Amino acid sequence: QSVLTQPPSVSAAPGQKVTISCSGSSSNIGNNYVFWYQQFPGTAPKLLIYDNNKRPSGIPDRFSGSKSGTSATLDITGLQTGDEADYYCGTWDTSLSAVIFGAGTKLTVL
Amino acid sequence: EVQLVQSGAEVKKPGESLKISCKGSGYSFTRFWIGWVRQMPGKGLEWMGIIYPGDSDTRYSPSFEGQVTISADKSITTAYLQWSSLKASDTAMYYCGRPGATGWYFDYWGQGTLVTVSS
Repeated sequence: QSVLTQPPSVSAAPGQKVTISCSGSSSNIGNNYVFWYQQFPGTAPKLLIYDNNKRPSGIPDRFSGSKSGTSATLDITGLQTGDEADYYCGTWDTSLSAVIFGAGTKLTVL
Repeated sequence: EVQLVQSGAEVKKPGESLKISCKGSGYSFTRFWIGWVRQMPGKGLEWMGIIYPGDSDTRYSPSFEGQVTISADKSITTAYLQWSSLKASDTAMYYCGRPGATGWYFDYWGQGTLVTVSS
């Protein structure tokens, strides 16, 4: 069971917006930066968001992140079929002294 | 260009030992941490631990402490993940990664090494 809670799956139509939530506690999200990865089957994860809301070079602004208290969200606007992937949130956990991840959310673009 | 290149897939028997590698290039190897993530078949990401090649400072997730050994050889810019006695439950894809400048997220990843442990 993951320390960070994500919905197992989300879906939306092409062109629409989807939000993926990530819920934690004061020992992790509440006091540390959150990051998000995108992973396609058979490939390594790709960094989408770091430091709660920053995008690495090359990541479209359709992807955005935010954090409030002990929860974080990843928003994806203008959905494309190519966005179908697994999405993971992560952060440092001060109590565990380790990076922790959510269990992942499978995005389906209908 | 930063690159992390991992060693190839392995098939081992329970009880055998194994050391997989991750070679870094395109950056100053001794000035960045490098870590390992496990992904069991059909499952999510699990952070295993991390090493600073400059001084070999190593941190482990409590879930993996004592189960694996992380090391690095800065002379050949290579990090390692090692098991002394494999179990079937070690069957997984293992990724190495390099944390970013501002936190523990990996901004560069290796291609992954598939480890299969089966009798």
